[in-house]
Amino acid sequence: DGGITQSPKYLFRKEGQNVTLSCEQNLNHDAMYWYRQDPGQGLRLIYYSHIVNDFQKGDIAEGYSVSREKKESFPLTVTSAQKNPTAFYLCASSIADREDTEAFFGQGTRLTVV
Amino acid sequence: GENVEQHPSTLSVQEGDSAVIKCTYSDSASNYFPWYKQELGKRPQLIIDIRSNVGEKKDQRIAVTLNKTAKHFSLHITETQPEDSAVYFCALFTGGFKTIFGAGTRLFVKA
Repeated sequence: DGGITQSPKYLFRKEGQNVTLSCEQNLNHDAMYWYRQDPGQGLRLIYYSHIVNDFQKGDIAEGYSVSREKKESFPLTVTSAQKNPTAFYLCASSIADREDTEAFFGQGTRLTVV
Repeated sequence: GENVEQHPSTLSVQEGDSAVIKCTYSDSASNYFPWYKQELGKRPQLIIDIRSNVGEKKDQRIAVTLNKTAKHFSLHITETQPEDSAVYFCALFTGGFKTIFGAGTRLFVKA
């Protein structure tokens, strides 16, 4: 059963802690993305990667970091430098070598700072 | 940089009426324009897309139109039903493997 999986579904973080959100896909997609969604707002791009060992900053990368050591995995770390981390985080993947390509989303991780 | 504006932010219609959502963009190099539907608490999913070589595409009650000259594309839902209630996002694929999204339109279909 192919797809993209995010974990955990809910995550609570204390002030000053780093947390890592997992994203795994078995769709053999080269491109992977992280988006942040705030209540009533759209999807804002945090980071994206179109190939292993390479990634680019999106529009709101400050306070976040990523790695892309494997094609299947694109974990996102929310660092203590992110001042307002409470949000819904969505990971997505797509075929990278075509322009007209659908993005497949994970179920999301809801991060709350306590 | 690339930008896509989506209007309206909220849309309320009576069941059976039509709903139209419009997006405008700035990157003339964009050639792929998908629309995603996100139901409450769920992941966004593709519902229809259009490529720059066509002006209109239809799939049952859903249609999308594209005007590349004016740089806008629209989603049309006819004969709306309560299950159409969701947030709809337009998107475009820019050069450099990026997909950017509009801010979303929350559609309410009243029974």
